[in-house]
Amino acid sequence: AQKVTQAQTEISVVEKEDVTLDCVYETRDTTYYLFWYKQPPSGELVFLIRRNSFDEQNEISGRYSWNFQKSTSSFNFTITASQVVDSAVYFCALSEENNNDMRFGAGTRLTVKP
Amino acid sequence: DAGITQSPRHKVTETGTPVTLRCHQTENHRYMYWYRQDPGHGLRLIHYSYGVKDTDKGEVSDGYSVSRSKTEDFLLTLESATSSQTSVYFCAISEPPGAKIPTDTQYFGPGTRLTVL
Repeated sequence: AQKVTQAQTEISVVEKEDVTLDCVYETRDTTYYLFWYKQPPSGELVFLIRRNSFDEQNEISGRYSWNFQKSTSSFNFTITASQVVDSAVYFCALSEENNNDMRFGAGTRLTVKP
Repeated sequence: DAGITQSPRHKVTETGTPVTLRCHQTENHRYMYWYRQDPGHGLRLIHYSYGVKDTDKGEVSDGYSVSRSKTEDFLLTLESATSSQTSVYFCAISEPPGAKIPTDTQYFGPGTRLTVL
């Protein structure tokens, strides 16, 4: 079965620092999808990005960027110039084609201090 | 906003009592899911539905049942709640192949915090 590992349980940075959240995945499928979700202190889950296994282009959205490397089975998330509002738990997730059982990592709690 | 509501938002109950959580969506999504969130485990799939009266089990389905008698409602039932079912429960939706948004992307409701004493 597919598996997602987020080895960093908690990260604490000072505002304006860059921070990278690691995500390593396991799957036997050649077609799969990777996701990042944000869970702020209010508790809702916010979709951030979806990437399919055939698209290894890195993506940038404002201060957020994602690095997908199939060679190392990693899909890392970088926040540049972090802000207090970035404080949240971030989840990486994996979905295999034709499999509705999306698997989540345990999450990384990011605290950005002023 | 995927138009998903969950009720109740908070519930405290006692061991052995039945509990039903409701997920309601207003945009005619075909696929619906129930997850539980626990520290150290992220989110884990309990059951999902791919249409009215069509449901299937997820990773942690023991002790839970679901029903979907109409498109907009997906009910999660704990027949006899146990303390190990204390958790935050999230409902999610996605679209089937051919839909305008990626079919594999799931959007989540606000969650229900359930405490079983």
